[in-house]
Amino acid sequence: GENVEQHPSTLSVQEGDSAVIKCTYSDSASNYFPWYKQELGKRPQLIIDIRSNVGEKKDQRIAVTLNKTAKHFSLHITETQPEDSAVYFCAASRTGGGADGLTFGKGTHLIIQP
Amino acid sequence: ETGVTQTPRHLVMGMTNKKSLKCEQHLGHNAMYWYKQSAKKPLELMFVYNFKEQTENNSVPSRFSPECPNSSHLFLHLHTLQPEDSALYLCASSQFPGRAGGYEQYFGPGTRLTVT
Repeated sequence: GENVEQHPSTLSVQEGDSAVIKCTYSDSASNYFPWYKQELGKRPQLIIDIRSNVGEKKDQRIAVTLNKTAKHFSLHITETQPEDSAVYFCAASRTGGGADGLTFGKGTHLIIQP
Repeated sequence: ETGVTQTPRHLVMGMTNKKSLKCEQHLGHNAMYWYKQSAKKPLELMFVYNFKEQTENNSVPSRFSPECPNSSHLFLHLHTLQPEDSALYLCASSQFPGRAGGYEQYFGPGTRLTVT
């Protein structure tokens, strides 16, 4: 089955700086890679996703890059703000999450220092 | 109610009890999922249902029994649980096959389960 590794487990950055979270996956058949943000006591919420036919996707301060050859993908957050503090999860799926469900990484606790 | 709802939000049960978790989605989706979230582990997929049919059981012990009577409702029946089953149980739904550009899964708020 799929295995997703996520690093780092904790990331502390100064407000206004950039944050990068990296994930690797094992199943070359995976083709859908979402990122979820989970604030304390709340449900995971999708913030951005990318499919395997795209190398990069951007949405305002958030971007995701995908390297299919190396089987890794990364989340980039620029101009970080206090409200970006949360746990971020990467995930992978073979069929877009419809038939297989998602395999998640262990999460990264992002701390934005004022 | 909109989105994905779950009841109860908190549940404390003994190891000999039988209880059920309920999930309802109001998004018109056709796929539903159960995930387990423990303190020290990533979100773990438990079950997948597409069009009411179970398409994946991720090696979940038989003390967890899912039921999907229709595309909008999903249950997780619990019996003779162990203390290590204490966790946040999250339900999610999605549309499969997805629309162009996304297959996002929408999560419910979860049920915080404590087994004593």
